[in-house]
Amino acid sequence: EDQVTQSPEALRLQEGESSSLNCSYTVSGLRGLFWYRQDPGKGPEFLFTLYSAGEEKEKERLKATLTKKESFLHITAPKPEDSATYLCAVPSSNTGKLIFGQGTTLQVKP
Amino acid sequence: DAGVTQSPTHLIKTRGQQVTLRCSPKSGHDTVSWYQQALGQGPQFIFQYYEEEERQRGNFPDRFSGHQFPNYSSELNVNALLLGDSALYLCASSLGWGEQFFGPGTRLTVL
Repeated sequence: EDQVTQSPEALRLQEGESSSLNCSYTVSGLRGLFWYRQDPGKGPEFLFTLYSAGEEKEKERLKATLTKKESFLHITAPKPEDSATYLCAVPSSNTGKLIFGQGTTLQVKP
Repeated sequence: DAGVTQSPTHLIKTRGQQVTLRCSPKSGHDTVSWYQQALGQGPQFIFQYYEEEERQRGNFPDRFSGHQFPNYSSELNVNALLLGDSALYLCASSLGWGEQFFGPGTRLTVL
């Protein structure tokens, strides 16, 4: 069964304190892994797509990496405005349906 | 370039009523997917529309139905509302099975 698990569920950081979020996935024939940022009460905002193991993508203080079993979202020197829930998702086997993890809620304190 | 839009933003209904939510996809996209997101959870797939047909469906009862119009916009209908239907309803558009871009969502409250 296709499955996505994110850890930790919640993460509190001080401003400038770097850390990583984890996304473990099980799917037959990976057709991409997506990272989204979601602010409270709003729709997910697309961040990255990763397609193959070893691939990396960066955007400002965020860097996403991919292995055959998991993906990491590294946050370098975070700022309070990086506080949000970060979701990862994979397309289910042979469909356009996205399977989401439950998300990691990040709080960055000044 | 307008992104994905949804209406209404918020909606309050009572149990047993029916509701219709609307979605306009991002320019150039032909596929619309609907998701339900409960508080503190990741979005759950309801169904996907392509070429005006339901192409894929998640584990949701028949009370949930949808439609896609020739201009690719879409509606989600929910009949006989239950308290448990209270959630954020998200529409996402894509070009085929490509990257999905989400709208701002509709917050449905069932009393």
